[in-house]
Amino acid sequence: DSGVTQTPKHLITATGQRVTLRCSPRSGDLSVYWYQQSLDQGLQFLIQYYNGEERAKGNILERFSAQQFPDLHSELNLSSLELGDSALYFCASSEPERGVRNTIYFGEGSWLTVV
Amino acid sequence: AQTVTQSQPEMSVQEAETVTLSCTYDTSESDYYLFWYKQPPSRQMILVIRQEAYKQQNATENRFSVNFQKAAKSFSLKISDSQLGDAAMYFCAYLEPGEKLTFGTGTRLTIIP
Repeated sequence: DSGVTQTPKHLITATGQRVTLRCSPRSGDLSVYWYQQSLDQGLQFLIQYYNGEERAKGNILERFSAQQFPDLHSELNLSSLELGDSALYFCASSEPERGVRNTIYFGEGSWLTVV
Repeated sequence: AQTVTQSQPEMSVQEAETVTLSCTYDTSESDYYLFWYKQPPSRQMILVIRQEAYKQQNATENRFSVNFQKAAKSFSLKISDSQLGDAAMYFCAYLEPGEKLTFGTGTRLTIIP
């Protein structure tokens, strides 16, 4: 168990809909990352937050948005969903206030299927 | 931009034997970290081993060890005494402090009983 919690684990929704994926980082971790992994694809970096502020942005579509809240949990919002958005979405966390830094731990992922 | 290359899309090894997975990376930085992650069929991303670039000593975690060649920008993973549970996709990854993790394309490892 990495300590990173993602909900929901599985989600099936229709095209055009909007979903929210939630992530709770490891206790004390300040940084949250979102990655997308399509079937048989590598991991694509979407966005990173550090202590509530956006730190880096990758290949994130304009239909997608994210935020990190004061309690450090994060949400990834996916709207106007298309079939191609079907993927495994990972949340990861790092940068504890105390402890080993520069190591990123992943949650179990949220499987999104768009039909 | 930093890049990570895994040139072996697939590898196989007999159970109890040793296998080495290759990884090279490109960077102009001197302070960075390297990782191997394992992704079994469950698709969970599991951290296998971590190496700090400033450390000359190769990291070891039980049956897993790395061969870190900083000048050559090479970071291979050796799995000793391979077990059926080692079957997975293995990703090499690079991290600069405070930056995002950059992954290679992965190597699918099959264990032959």
